[in-house]
Amino acid sequence: DAKTTQPPSMDCAEGRAANLPCNHSTISGNEYVYWYRQIHSQGPQYIIHGLKNNETNEMASLIITEDRKSSTLILPHATLRDTAVYYCIVRVAGGNQFYFGTGTSLTVIP
Amino acid sequence: GAVVSQHPSRVICKSGTSVKIECRSLDFQATTMFWYRQFPKKSLMLMATSNEGSKATYEQGVEKDKFLINHASLTLSTLTVTSAHPEDSSFYICSATSFGGGSPYNEQFFGPGTRLTVL
Repeated sequence: DAKTTQPPSMDCAEGRAANLPCNHSTISGNEYVYWYRQIHSQGPQYIIHGLKNNETNEMASLIITEDRKSSTLILPHATLRDTAVYYCIVRVAGGNQFYFGTGTSLTVIP
Repeated sequence: GAVVSQHPSRVICKSGTSVKIECRSLDFQATTMFWYRQFPKKSLMLMATSNEGSKATYEQGVEKDKFLINHASLTLSTLTVTSAHPEDSSFYICSATSFGGGSPYNEQFFGPGTRLTVL
């Protein structure tokens, strides 16, 4: 599975959009991009995933560049409860294992 | 989304004893379950993959005799830390997924984690 690179930490003002980038320059054509987040001392929570088209759900939007070498997770109106570590993972469709990188620690500031 | 539970949520044991952690998928049948461990301020490290009715596949560097995994049914996997030592103290997290057959659950659903402290 392709390796991902994320900034170690980011801050975002409450109510503003949080844009979390992820580089996956070695992604293969059949690998999806998944985003999970982990609030302190809890299990990771699924956010969204996509292959090449932009995706949106009730939690977030996922923007994938045309060459698929990077993506951005957008939380449209960040709240204090969005403070967490966000992980970007790439995985083959129907594949098994997730290998977590170091993630981005997002702090939402009041 | 699907719900995965873990029991216990927190356990303290003496060095040399064995500890069993249960992982259950509550509202779907999990063909595959995964076990991770996480040290403070670190990322999740995959330990092993278990498929129902077959032996677990361990990641490189993970001692299979130390961390016994049983996946006896489509809703239950157990991790037993044998002869626990203080360095085994960690946050253990399981996840479950269901592949194939048009299942919607191709993503992994994670349990809340079990914090193990070995004295």
